[in-house]
Amino acid sequence: DQQVKQNSPSLSVQEGRISILNCDYTNSMFDYFLWYKKYPAEGPTFLISISSIKDKNEDGRFTVFLNKSAKHLSLHIVPSQPGDSAVYFCAASEAQAGTALIFGKGTTLSVSS
Amino acid sequence: DSGVTQTPKHLITATGQRVTLRCSPRSGDLSVYWYQQSLDQGLQFLIQYYNGEERAKGNILERFSAQQFPDLHSELNLSSLELGDSALYFCASSVGHLSSYEQYFGPGTRLTVT
Repeated sequence: DQQVKQNSPSLSVQEGRISILNCDYTNSMFDYFLWYKKYPAEGPTFLISISSIKDKNEDGRFTVFLNKSAKHLSLHIVPSQPGDSAVYFCAASEAQAGTALIFGKGTTLSVSS
Repeated sequence: DSGVTQTPKHLITATGQRVTLRCSPRSGDLSVYWYQQSLDQGLQFLIQYYNGEERAKGNILERFSAQQFPDLHSELNLSSLELGDSALYFCASSVGHLSSYEQYFGPGTRLTVT
């Protein structure tokens, strides 16, 4: 049973517009959430994280929103750039309990110029 | 460059064989994680070591084993290989043992079982 779901396998956006990537989770004990970005032939790289005590975290063009009641988080990229084209993975864990990260299957973002 | 190295980059082997994947963590990192990424699957956590000791176990098959050596490098051993073991295997490292510590991933080893 998938505890972290990214229901959109792909997303296409024009350069300069907003990209919104979504992630749903089922385990209410998750208290730490992350987004990773992956380019072809490379390992994933950490992008941004959020603790369950917050509902928003911002880092430059990237903002993660957490809606605990809906068990939903989203990553907003504004403005989108062609270099943002990559696979984005959502991950979650029970950080306080020391459990491992559970990853979603990823969403492929394509930003066209 | 994340600072995490993995060897080999590619590995092609036959069913029933055994292979060893190697990972060197970033300097100063004590935790090593192994993940498997199969076609159409996300990153599946296999196992974590922290400072030489097994810390957490995920969906790791009994045919798979790992260890972390005193110099903190880690090896993942896959035996009695099956076609379904074909996947990308990633190693990641972090300074601490909790998942709140940022994990740095290596470039992966692509295993093809024929």
